[in-house]
Amino acid sequence: EVQLVESGGGLVEPGRSLRLSCTGSGFTFGNYAMSWFRQAPGKGLEWVSHIRIKTYGGTADYAASVKGRFSLSRDDSRSIAYLQMNNLRTEDTAVYFCAARGSSGWYPYWGQGTLVTVSS
Amino acid sequence: DIQMTQSPSSLSASVGDRVTITCRASQSISTYLNWYQQKPGKAPNLLIYAASTLQSGVPSRFSGSGSGTDFTLTISSLQPEDFATYYCQQSYNTPPNFGPGTKVDI
Repeated sequence: EVQLVESGGGLVEPGRSLRLSCTGSGFTFGNYAMSWFRQAPGKGLEWVSHIRIKTYGGTADYAASVKGRFSLSRDDSRSIAYLQMNNLRTEDTAVYFCAARGSSGWYPYWGQGTLVTVSS
Repeated sequence: DIQMTQSPSSLSASVGDRVTITCRASQSISTYLNWYQQKPGKAPNLLIYAASTLQSGVPSRFSGSGSGTDFTLTISSLQPEDFATYYCQQSYNTPPNFGPGTKVDI
């Protein structure tokens, strides 16, 4: 059974940092691009970042709203993707989901989400 | 960026109803369009990919159609477990934007 489990969320003050982890099991993690999405309370889904598989350079792209503050990396040996979030803002408050990306950009596998609350 | 719109934003329906949700892209995306269902407190669940391909395990009452800029998700006979919010998502390019969602309730 495919599973993605996020961890690392919590309450943090503006300007501080947080690192989210996404651990995969039940599939060959290294064969999938990994993405992060977020959903602010009562709002829709927003793409945050994705990281390509090593075959395609393992590089990452970011939404304009987080570029320069967030950094996505992956450790395929441990089946984990890390989202490092620096200089957090109140508008970053959301449930953060990780997802494995299918071959043509759909997302068949999702984690359960982890809540990040940025507040003083 | 490609912008996605959906209509209606919400609808009220009854069990057994045929429900249609539309999604429009701000430019042509061929058939790079996917549909998800999301229930409160849960992650999105992929229903349809590539505009019309039913994801494994998804009931056949769900169907998708369209290409270019206009797409449709149809639920042929609404079931109690189908009350949820539905999102379209384009996978033509980055960022893989979602539509604003359509809430289906009683």
